Amino acid sequence: GPKVLQIPSHQIIDMGQMVTLNCDPVSNHLYFYWYKQILGQQMEFLVNFYNGKVMEKSKLFKDQFSVERPDGSYFTLKIQPTALEDSAVYFCASSRGGNTGQLYFGEGSKLTVL
Amino acid sequence: GDSVTQTEGLVTLTEGLPVMLNCTYQSTYSPFLFWYVQHLNEAPKLLLKSFTDNKRPEHQGFHATLHKSSSSFHLQKSSAQLSDSALYYCALSYGSSGNKLIFGIGTLLSVKP
Repeated sequence: GPKVLQIPSHQIIDMGQMVTLNCDPVSNHLYFYWYKQILGQQMEFLVNFYNGKVMEKSKLFKDQFSVERPDGSYFTLKIQPTALEDSAVYFCASSRGGNTGQLYFGEGSKLTVL
Repeated sequence: GDSVTQTEGLVTLTEGLPVMLNCTYQSTYSPFLFWYVQHLNEAPKLLLKSFTDNKRPEHQGFHATLHKSSSSFHLQKSSAQLSDSALYYCALSYGSSGNKLIFGIGTLLSVKP
Protein backbone atom coordinates (compact mmCIF):
# COMPACT_ATOMS: atom_id res chain seq x y z
CA GLY A 1 0.00 0.00 0.00
CA PRO A 2 0.96 3.67 0.00
CA LYS A 3 3.95 4.44 2.19
CA VAL A 4 5.18 7.48 4.04
CA LEU A 5 8.95 7.51 4.51
CA GLN A 6 10.67 9.25 7.38
CA ILE A 7 14.33 10.13 7.58
CA PRO A 8 16.16 9.67 9.90
CA SER A 9 14.68 6.81 11.88
CA HIS A 10 16.83 7.74 14.88
CA GLN A 11 18.72 10.88 15.81
CA ILE A 12 20.68 11.78 18.92
CA ILE A 13 21.66 15.39 19.43
CA ASP A 14 22.81 17.73 22.17
CA MET A 15 20.38 20.17 23.72
CA GLY A 16 20.43 23.51 21.94
CA GLN A 17 21.30 22.08 18.55
CA MET A 18 19.02 22.22 15.55
CA VAL A 19 17.36 19.14 14.09
CA THR A 20 15.38 18.59 10.91
CA LEU A 21 13.09 15.60 10.54
CA ASN A 22 12.21 14.70 6.98
CA CYS A 23 9.06 13.13 5.63
CA ASP A 24 8.32 11.87 2.13
CA PRO A 25 4.51 11.69 2.01
CA VAL A 26 2.32 9.58 -0.29
CA SER A 27 2.68 11.06 -3.75
CA ASN A 28 -0.85 12.30 -4.47
CA HIS A 29 -1.66 13.40 -0.93
CA LEU A 30 -2.40 17.02 -0.18
CA TYR A 31 -2.51 17.19 3.60
CA PHE A 32 0.44 16.61 5.91
CA TYR A 33 0.77 16.17 9.64
CA TRP A 34 3.21 15.76 12.49
CA TYR A 35 2.37 13.89 15.66
CA LYS A 36 4.57 13.55 18.75
CA GLN A 37 4.72 10.54 21.04
CA ILE A 38 6.65 10.69 24.30
CA LEU A 39 7.62 7.26 25.63
CA GLY A 40 4.69 5.66 27.44
CA GLN A 41 2.19 8.30 26.34
CA GLN A 42 -0.26 8.66 23.49
CA MET A 43 0.46 10.18 20.12
CA GLU A 44 -0.45 13.87 20.16
CA PHE A 45 -1.24 16.18 17.28
CA LEU A 46 1.37 18.84 16.58
CA VAL A 47 0.44 20.49 13.29
CA ASN A 48 -1.31 20.03 9.97
CA PHE A 49 -0.27 21.59 6.66
CA TYR A 50 -2.06 22.16 3.37
CA ASN A 51 -1.37 24.16 0.26
CA GLY A 52 1.91 25.43 1.60
CA LYS A 53 0.51 26.68 4.88
CA VAL A 54 -0.02 25.58 8.45
CA MET A 55 -3.73 24.99 8.99
CA GLU A 56 -3.70 24.40 12.70
CA LYS A 57 -1.11 23.84 15.40
CA SER A 58 -1.46 22.56 18.93
CA LYS A 59 0.00 24.07 22.07
CA LEU A 60 2.78 21.45 21.80
CA PHE A 61 3.98 23.19 18.63
CA LYS A 62 6.35 25.60 20.34
CA ASP A 63 7.88 28.69 18.76
CA GLN A 64 11.07 26.68 18.24
CA PHE A 65 9.21 24.39 15.83
CA SER A 66 8.64 25.07 12.16
CA VAL A 67 7.36 23.09 9.19
CA GLU A 68 7.66 23.51 5.45
CA ARG A 69 7.47 21.64 2.20
CA PRO A 70 9.48 23.59 -0.36
CA ASP A 71 8.52 22.82 -3.99
CA GLY A 72 6.97 19.42 -3.35
CA SER A 73 10.05 17.99 -1.74
CA TYR A 74 10.23 16.60 1.79
CA PHE A 75 7.77 17.82 4.38
CA THR A 76 10.06 18.83 7.23
CA LEU A 77 9.82 19.50 10.93
CA LYS A 78 12.62 21.69 12.23
CA ILE A 79 13.32 22.27 15.90
CA GLN A 80 15.72 25.08 16.71
CA PRO A 81 16.97 25.08 19.40
CA THR A 82 16.13 21.67 20.84
CA ALA A 83 15.28 21.08 24.50
CA LEU A 84 15.34 17.93 26.64
CA GLU A 85 11.54 17.69 26.53
CA ASP A 86 11.66 17.40 22.75
CA SER A 87 12.87 13.81 23.11
CA ALA A 88 10.10 11.72 21.55
CA VAL A 89 9.08 9.77 18.49
CA TYR A 90 7.78 12.08 15.79
CA PHE A 91 5.32 10.57 13.34
CA CYS A 92 4.66 12.13 9.98
CA ALA A 93 1.36 11.41 8.22
CA SER A 94 -0.37 12.39 5.00
CA SER A 95 -3.87 12.15 3.58
CA ARG A 96 -5.72 12.91 0.35
CA GLY A 97 -8.68 14.58 2.01
CA GLY A 98 -8.75 16.92 4.94
CA ASN A 99 -11.52 15.40 7.02
CA THR A 100 -11.62 11.63 6.43
CA GLY A 101 -9.62 10.54 9.45
CA GLN A 102 -7.68 8.17 7.18
CA LEU A 103 -4.09 9.13 7.66
CA TYR A 104 -1.09 7.27 6.29
CA PHE A 105 1.67 7.29 8.88
CA GLY A 106 5.39 6.84 8.62
CA GLU A 107 7.30 4.59 10.98
CA GLY A 108 8.43 7.51 13.09
CA SER A 109 11.66 9.36 13.80
CA LYS A 110 13.00 8.79 17.28
CA LEU A 111 14.67 11.94 18.58
CA THR A 112 16.84 11.84 21.68
CA VAL A 113 18.04 15.17 23.07
CA LEU A 114 20.90 14.90 25.55
CA GLY B 1 -11.73 18.44 26.89
CA ASP B 2 -11.93 15.66 24.35
CA SER B 3 -10.13 12.43 25.23
CA VAL B 4 -9.90 8.73 24.46
CA THR B 5 -9.38 6.11 27.14
CA GLN B 6 -7.98 2.65 26.60
CA THR B 7 -7.93 0.94 29.96
CA GLU B 8 -5.80 -2.08 29.08
CA GLY B 9 -2.14 -1.52 28.45
CA LEU B 10 -1.49 -5.17 27.62
CA VAL B 11 -3.86 -7.95 26.61
CA THR B 12 -2.44 -11.47 26.32
CA LEU B 13 -4.53 -14.15 24.62
CA THR B 14 -4.23 -17.67 23.35
CA GLU B 15 -4.72 -18.12 19.62
CA GLY B 16 -8.34 -18.90 18.74
CA LEU B 17 -9.88 -17.05 21.68
CA PRO B 18 -12.05 -13.96 21.15
CA VAL B 19 -10.55 -10.49 21.28
CA MET B 20 -12.08 -7.43 22.87
CA LEU B 21 -10.11 -4.21 23.33
CA ASN B 22 -11.84 -1.43 25.19
CA CYS B 23 -12.19 2.15 24.02
CA THR B 24 -14.27 4.91 25.59
CA TYR B 25 -14.23 8.57 24.80
CA GLN B 26 -15.25 12.00 25.99
CA SER B 27 -16.20 14.53 23.36
CA THR B 28 -17.91 17.86 22.99
CA TYR B 29 -19.73 16.90 19.80
CA SER B 30 -20.45 13.68 17.90
CA PRO B 31 -17.08 12.42 16.72
CA PHE B 32 -15.88 9.81 14.30
CA LEU B 33 -14.05 6.95 15.99
CA PHE B 34 -11.14 5.00 14.58
CA TRP B 35 -8.93 2.03 15.34
CA TYR B 36 -5.35 2.18 14.13
CA VAL B 37 -3.01 -0.82 14.34
CA GLN B 38 0.78 -0.76 14.54
CA HIS B 39 2.73 -3.96 14.03
CA LEU B 40 6.29 -4.20 15.28
CA ASN B 41 8.66 -1.98 13.31
CA GLU B 42 5.87 -0.76 11.07
CA ALA B 43 3.86 2.44 10.75
CA PRO B 44 0.43 2.79 12.36
CA LYS B 45 -2.31 2.15 9.81
CA LEU B 46 -6.06 2.54 9.80
CA LEU B 47 -7.98 -0.61 10.74
CA LEU B 48 -11.57 0.64 11.18
CA LYS B 49 -13.60 3.83 11.08
CA SER B 50 -17.06 4.39 12.54
CA PHE B 51 -19.93 5.16 10.21
CA THR B 52 -22.48 7.91 10.63
CA ASP B 53 -25.40 5.56 9.92
CA ASN B 54 -24.83 3.01 12.71
CA LYS B 55 -23.40 0.39 10.36
CA ARG B 56 -20.78 -1.80 11.93
CA PRO B 57 -17.40 -1.43 10.24
CA GLU B 58 -15.43 -4.64 9.68
CA HIS B 59 -11.93 -5.33 8.42
CA GLN B 60 -9.69 -8.38 8.58
CA GLY B 61 -12.16 -10.08 10.93
CA PHE B 62 -12.20 -7.14 13.33
CA HIS B 63 -15.32 -5.13 14.00
CA ALA B 64 -16.37 -2.31 16.31
CA THR B 65 -19.71 -0.75 17.14
CA LEU B 66 -20.08 2.88 18.09
CA HIS B 67 -22.35 3.17 21.12
CA LYS B 68 -23.11 6.83 21.70
CA SER B 69 -25.07 6.09 24.88
CA SER B 70 -21.97 4.66 26.55
CA SER B 71 -19.40 6.63 24.50
CA SER B 72 -17.66 3.43 23.50
CA PHE B 73 -16.09 1.89 20.40
CA HIS B 74 -14.70 -1.44 21.54
CA LEU B 75 -12.73 -3.53 19.07
CA GLN B 76 -13.71 -7.18 18.71
CA LYS B 77 -12.70 -10.27 16.81
CA SER B 78 -14.18 -13.73 17.21
CA SER B 79 -10.91 -15.66 17.01
CA ALA B 80 -7.43 -14.25 17.59
CA GLN B 81 -4.57 -15.11 15.25
CA LEU B 82 -0.85 -14.95 15.96
CA SER B 83 -0.54 -12.22 13.31
CA ASP B 84 -2.94 -10.00 15.29
CA SER B 85 -0.19 -9.31 17.81
CA ALA B 86 0.32 -5.55 17.58
CA LEU B 87 -0.32 -2.20 19.26
CA TYR B 88 -3.89 -0.97 18.79
CA TYR B 89 -4.82 2.71 19.08
CA CYS B 90 -8.32 4.08 19.41
CA ALA B 91 -8.76 7.65 18.19
CA LEU B 92 -11.42 10.24 17.56
CA SER B 93 -11.83 13.23 15.32
CA TYR B 94 -14.50 15.58 14.09
CA GLY B 95 -15.52 15.97 10.48
CA SER B 96 -14.45 19.58 10.55
CA SER B 97 -11.23 19.20 12.48
CA GLY B 98 -8.82 18.79 9.61
CA ASN B 99 -7.87 15.23 10.55
CA LYS B 100 -6.70 16.25 14.01
CA LEU B 101 -6.88 12.85 15.64
CA ILE B 102 -7.02 12.47 19.43
CA PHE B 103 -5.43 9.15 20.34
CA GLY B 104 -5.72 6.81 23.26
CA ILE B 105 -2.55 5.48 24.83
CA GLY B 106 -2.80 2.19 22.96
CA THR B 107 -3.30 -1.45 23.90
CA LEU B 108 -0.65 -4.01 23.15
CA LEU B 109 -2.25 -7.27 22.06
CA SER B 110 -0.07 -10.34 22.41
CA VAL B 111 -1.44 -13.55 20.91
CA LYS B 112 0.30 -16.77 21.93
CA PRO B 113 0.04 -20.25 20.42
